[in-house]
Amino acid sequence: SQQGEEDPQALSIQEGENATMNCSYKTSINNLQWYRQNSGRGLVHLILIRSNEREKHSGRLRVTLDTSKKSSSLLITASRAADTASYFCATDTGRRALTFGSGTRLQVQP
Amino acid sequence: EPEVTQTPSHQVTQMGQEVILRCVPISNHLYFYWYRQILGQKVEFLVSFYNNEISEKSEIFDDQFSVERPDGSNFTLKIRSTKLEDSAMYFCASSAESRGETQYFGPGTRLLVL
Repeated sequence: SQQGEEDPQALSIQEGENATMNCSYKTSINNLQWYRQNSGRGLVHLILIRSNEREKHSGRLRVTLDTSKKSSSLLITASRAADTASYFCATDTGRRALTFGSGTRLQVQP
Repeated sequence: EPEVTQTPSHQVTQMGQEVILRCVPISNHLYFYWYRQILGQKVEFLVSFYNNEISEKSEIFDDQFSVERPDGSNFTLKIRSTKLEDSAMYFCASSAESRGETQYFGPGTRLLVL
């Protein structure tokens, strides 16, 4: 697989439930960033976690990073219909380019 | 909150025509980027720009592409002779001084080449 691959590809949950998305990558990273994209719209930065961090919180978002497994997870707690979007992880390997995964399409049913 | 802006939001052009996509990065940012996303595909890096020169580019960024910072606020991507396969959403991004900082993305320009 390529650098920065998310799973699942699609996730459908009920409002109020938690949503967990995973990202795996291949090479060493400086940091990993999570972005949200509403259909056909721009990329909204959610959270950045550095390689020396294991967990980070921002509101209802919780991101973990396991550099030994080269994986990260994004947890959205108490989901809302407005959380419906595609979520991407993007890895920063020390070059300036971010490498994006294919994304997880999250559907939150009201 | 400062944000990256892009114009136009949509552009339709004929194959072989030149297009210029414009971006205004966040004002105190020094690193600028272009990415593109073909419909249904991943976001792909095109080029990064710092101190008035290209610092990195991908294999997608061939001689048909160029970038410029014509003044203190704008950052442009030019495609000299568009191809059908250039149809995509083009995103501009900027980041603050140091490497490894958050890249903030604009809303994108949807380019359709006919």
